[in-house]
Parts: sequence; structure tokens; C-alpha cells
Amino acid sequence: DTGVSQNPRHKITKRGQNVTFRCDPISEHNRLYWYRQTLGQGPEFLTYFQNEAQLEKSRLLSDRFSAERPKGSFSTLEIQRTEQGDSAMYLCASSSTDRTGGRYEQYFGPGTRLTVT
Amino acid sequence: AQSVAQPEDQVNVAEGNPLTVKCTYSVSGNPYLFWYVQYPNRGLQFLLKYITGDNLVKGSYGFEAEFNKSQTSFHLKKPSALVSDSALYFCAVNPGDDKIIFGKGTRLHILP
Repeated sequence: DTGVSQNPRHKITKRGQNVTFRCDPISEHNRLYWYRQTLGQGPEFLTYFQNEAQLEKSRLLSDRFSAERPKGSFSTLEIQRTEQGDSAMYLCASSSTDRTGGRYEQYFGPGTRLTVT
Repeated sequence: AQSVAQPEDQVNVAEGNPLTVKCTYSVSGNPYLFWYVQYPNRGLQFLLKYITGDNLVKGSYGFEAEFNKSQTSFHLKKPSALVSDSALYFCAVNPGDDKIIFGKGTRLHILP
């Protein structure tokens, strides 16, 4: 168990460019979450997957954002036509689950810091 | 709207003294409650959780938290603070739909 990993750790991009982040969860976890965290704030829920199915999306997730988990393992988060307001830390987390839902704690990756210039 | 409040941006405690980091929530139903800690340049780490049962839950590093349903609170506590406890602490709530809500965080400073 090597924990949750995220790549890249840092990304600087120009406004209007597309960016893609990757998250590799803990292998036995079937749930994967994406959050955004800005300075002085707690993580804000964006979306989550159970296996390969995307179950929930926040209203924060505009049409420019898309997330996939094609084989129920790693996940990607893509932001199209980036804006300066997209600058933030993007966090990925994974957890186990059961039929009762999200009673299990989440294990977080180190995050990808996005800077849009 | 469902929310989590951490009313203190920062808490200062002398080493060896007891500490409390406050959290209140506003969600319907019976939520699951969590505390996470974030050290500089590291990801969030799970400390403890309340699912059901005993209102006092114990977690990592000697931390504990008390669930109070009538006051909708889940305060984090430790009997004797260590300098190494200095970090950013987040309260989180799963309101039942698995769209986890985090508080803004409380920075804990333990003074030697």
C-alpha cells in the first residue's frame, strides 16, 4: 500500500489552455473523490466515483471540468479553457465503502497545485 | 443549506495543557462526522470519526472527539498538547449523500 498518489504535483498553465491531472488511489479502494482547495478554505467536494461510475457531481463542476475513472482504478480530472479562478489545489482521495455508504474515512493524496497565469 | 462551521481560525495552547478545537454542523438526518489534520506540505490525514454508538470517540495521536447531537457539535480534544500537534485541523461531515462537507479549518499552535 503506497497511498494515494497524484501527478503532477505542480502545474503552471496559461489562461485558455487545457490541463489534465491524474490520481492513483489505494488499490483496494472502490471509491475515489476529487476536491478543490483554495487558500484559507477547506476542501470543496467536486465529484466522486464508485468503481468506474461517476455518482455525484457538485454544481462547482462547470462544463469545463470533466472527470473519468475508466477502469475503476486511476482517475483523471481535466479542465478545459482554464481561467485564473481555477487556480487552486486539487485533491484526490480514496476510500472503501459498503452498502451503507460513506462511513469509511478517506485517504488523501498530496494534491496538484494549479496556477493559471 | 448544509454546512460545517469551525468558529476559530486559530487556537493557541501551551504545551501540556488540554486543547479543544470546535466544530458545529448543520445537516439533516444522522451524519457521519470526521476530523482530519493537515501538516505543512503533506496531504490530509484521518484522525477519527463518529458513525454511531458511544458519543466519545478516540483516534490517532491521543486525540478524541465528543459528539453532541442536541448541540450539533463534534469538538476535537486532547488532554495534554504537544508541540508536534501544531497543524491545520479540518472537521468534515457526510450528510448521507456522500458529498462530504469540510469546515474552513482551524490552525492549532502549541506553544513550548
